[in-house]
Amino acid sequence: QKEVEQNSGPLSVPEGAIASLNCTYSDRVSQSFFWYRQYSGKSPELIMSIYSNGDKEDGRFTAQLNKASQYVSLLIRDSQPSDSATYLCAVNRRPGNQFYFGTGTSLTVIP
Amino acid sequence: EAQVTQNPRYLITVTGKKLTVTCSQNMNHEYMSWYRQDPGLGLRQIYYSMNVEVTDKGDVPEGYKVSRKEKRNFPLILESPSPNQTSLYFCASSLSSGLLNTGELFFGEGSRLTVL
Repeated sequence: QKEVEQNSGPLSVPEGAIASLNCTYSDRVSQSFFWYRQYSGKSPELIMSIYSNGDKEDGRFTAQLNKASQYVSLLIRDSQPSDSATYLCAVNRRPGNQFYFGTGTSLTVIP
Repeated sequence: EAQVTQNPRYLITVTGKKLTVTCSQNMNHEYMSWYRQDPGLGLRQIYYSMNVEVTDKGDVPEGYKVSRKEKRNFPLILESPSPNQTSLYFCASSLSSGLLNTGELFFGEGSRLTVL
């Protein structure tokens, strides 16, 4: 079983819609959870981090964490064509500070 | 400018010819790590270092070596490269390996390696 699993997509949404990205993780001791965005040919960049159960909002982005279900999600409201990218879910586990990444979900926002 | 710098960005080499990919960060980060990214497999951690002279294996360490003699540098060494090491490699750093670590990884621009 993979440490982190994501639906690889591709996911297509029209401009202005809500994009919903999902991620599950296998190890209950995972402590920190992240969403990275990776444009084609570029390196990943952090867009959201979440450490406790519930929702965390930052502008058009909302991360949701449910540790009991081992589930992390990212909602992108009012999707823009510039949001078209691959979104990587990552978890961090202590001790050791190892990061585990999902394979990414490709999102296309159609103008 | 805060950054993680990798070199070379692109490299084509032949099987068995030793090579080193350098990584340097100017943010005084304690934590540094190397990943490879392959289609369908995502980012996989090769090695990581929580501080100078402290390194640990990640998920796919076979065929790679690392060293951390200085805080800012974390080179990745392929002693005898093979075609299955053809991949896109990323170096990343993070502020702290301790409790204060926010977990945000800062990535270099990537090094695309082809082994013939």
